[in-house]
Amino acid sequence: AQSVTQLDSQVPVFEEAPVELRCNYSSSVSVYLFWYVQYPNQGLQLLLKYLSGSTLVKGINGFEAEFNKSQTSFHLRKPSVHISDTAEYFCAVVTGNQFYFGTGTSLTVIP
Amino acid sequence: SQTIHQWPATLVQPVGSPLSLECTVEGTSNPNLYWYRQAAGRGLQLLFYSVGIGQISSEVPQNLSASRPQDRQFILSSKKLLLSDSGFYLCAWSKQGNQPQHFGDGTRLSIL
Repeated sequence: AQSVTQLDSQVPVFEEAPVELRCNYSSSVSVYLFWYVQYPNQGLQLLLKYLSGSTLVKGINGFEAEFNKSQTSFHLRKPSVHISDTAEYFCAVVTGNQFYFGTGTSLTVIP
Repeated sequence: SQTIHQWPATLVQPVGSPLSLECTVEGTSNPNLYWYRQAAGRGLQLLFYSVGIGQISSEVPQNLSASRPQDRQFILSSKKLLLSDSGFYLCAWSKQGNQPQHFGDGTRLSIL
């Protein structure tokens, strides 16, 4: 079975600073990878996805992620965060037709 | 474009009362449908998923049940709610099992 690890449960960062949210998964078989964002009391919104092709994926709100097959990682990055980026971020991995979510990382942007 | 609707947005119920949460999808046909629960400050727990009308798979044994009476309608039910059923319930759909899931706005359920 697949497992998804988001090592950092909470990440505080100052406004306009860069941020990286880490995601590692266990199985190296063919996978699809996703990042979602959840604002308070809302559902999850798809930020970006990797299905195939270029390993650097750009998403909405200035976020990007890089698929690293050898390290089984899919870290999310943003060069300069804004207050409005404060939210919960979930990494998800699909193996076969099974969806696996990480436990989430709470990003807090400090003014 | 496709949209997903969940209602109600918030619900307060006494212990032992029944539950019915509804989710509908528009703009697509034969979607995969999912119910998740999110406890406070925690990740997502998959409760049920469905690949077609009348086809329900349960991931976690509990006092909840799900039904899919129509292609784009997914209902989460309980005959008697427990305190532990409190949480944020999310419905989602995808075109296929390996495609992105798209989420509704969720229902905040509080059990008193």
